[in-house]
Amino acid sequence: DTAVSQTPKYLVTQMGNDKSIKCEQNLGHDTMYWYKQDSKKFLKIMFSYNNKELIINETVPNRFSPKSPDKAHLNLHINSLELGDSAVYFCASSQDTPGLAGGDTQYFGPGTRLTVL
Amino acid sequence: QKEVEQNSGPLSVPEGAIASLNCTYSDRGSQSFFWYRQYSGKSPELIMFIYSNGDKEDGRFTAQLNKASQYVSLLIRDSQPSDSATYLCAVNINSGSQGNLIFGKGTKLSVKP
Repeated sequence: DTAVSQTPKYLVTQMGNDKSIKCEQNLGHDTMYWYKQDSKKFLKIMFSYNNKELIINETVPNRFSPKSPDKAHLNLHINSLELGDSAVYFCASSQDTPGLAGGDTQYFGPGTRLTVL
Repeated sequence: QKEVEQNSGPLSVPEGAIASLNCTYSDRGSQSFFWYRQYSGKSPELIMFIYSNGDKEDGRFTAQLNKASQYVSLLIRDSQPSDSATYLCAVNINSGSQGNLIFGKGTKLSVKP
């Protein structure tokens, strides 16, 4: 009955490879997100997506692309992995109901620790 | 550049004391404010959100918001060793629509038995 789930939990890969991280939420939320948390523990938004709009943080390289097969899933695909991509990636979701107190609260998945060798 | 600032700590308090965590933000138009707790190796978990100026209490936790000063704080009463974690302040600059949370770098709290 996990609310926001991610797979895999750990991902170790070689530089130059392409990999995907999957995220699913069973909360019925409208918006999903991807965050990157670096070695200094700074949590930074990469993408936010609902069925109307994809918002991309302009600092995210275009090697990163979100893919949403449906409202409950937002996967993260990464091409040509680099050493600097090593981090923990968190998926999150929110209801985003305007005017609802707490409606924009984001709930986080358990994270995927990516190590690029 | 919209920013959220927190003292990185570590903040060390004895068990049973009040821990006070502070956060300032740069975007005056921000509407909603969140405190998350993150244990080492775990994901951020929501403690509280606050929208209006003043205090909001939930158990041992009290969030305080002062929009005029662009300041939000979290008080933890009767601190327990299990409260030892990193506390992340987050500000939503697009409240009510597709959210955009800006996180501070977190304050590491250590509660000593």
